[in-house]
Amino acid sequence: DVKVTQSSRYLVKRTGEKVFLECVQDMDHENMFWYRQDPGLGLRLIYFSYDVKMKEKGDIPEGYSVSREKKERFSLILESASTNQTSMYLCASSDSFRGRTTYEQYFGPGTRLTVT
Amino acid sequence: RKEVEQDPGPFNVPEGATVAFNCTYSNSASQSFFWYRQDCRKEPKLLMSVYSSGNEDGRFTAQLNRASQYISLLIRDSKLSDSATYLCVVNKPDRGSTLGRLYFGRGTQLTVWP
Repeated sequence: DVKVTQSSRYLVKRTGEKVFLECVQDMDHENMFWYRQDPGLGLRLIYFSYDVKMKEKGDIPEGYSVSREKKERFSLILESASTNQTSMYLCASSDSFRGRTTYEQYFGPGTRLTVT
Repeated sequence: RKEVEQDPGPFNVPEGATVAFNCTYSNSASQSFFWYRQDCRKEPKLLMSVYSSGNEDGRFTAQLNRASQYISLLIRDSKLSDSATYLCVVNKPDRGSTLGRLYFGRGTQLTVWP
């Protein structure tokens, strides 16, 4: 079974703090994704990565950065946390097949971040 | 226009009922289609892929109409355990690449009552 783990289930941070959210997958997947999910807005893609050290912006990258130094690990960084970044953060991974992404994504359990 | 649109519901049905969810997608270049299920305060999980010819998995039937850019999910003989949010998910290639990303609908909430 694919396993995607996230470093924390719940996190409370103060405005202005730098926040690191870690995601690890154990299936040697090439592709990794960070989403946030808010009531009424659904899942929104923040950043994604198709390879080590490679990153691409999603739909809402402002205020976030990412790091992928190893294939299995994809980190989301909030440079200076703000209250509007209070949300559920979901990491996902997917495999690639012959250079094309096989589109099924596997999600981690999520990190509920509260910024006060 | 959003990539994927679906009726948010909520749908409240009794056990044993048949319920159908619909979804439309905007980009005709989309290639792969899925239904995901998300339980309250849990992560989304793949329920089933949707194939051009339609496909069935037990009580669940998925249909795809490429001409109308329309996807459906039918649940027969609803169980209490079917209560969840159902996400319609579509892929399309980005920026002319063969690599794609997924676009998620906002979800349709289903509650099955005894």
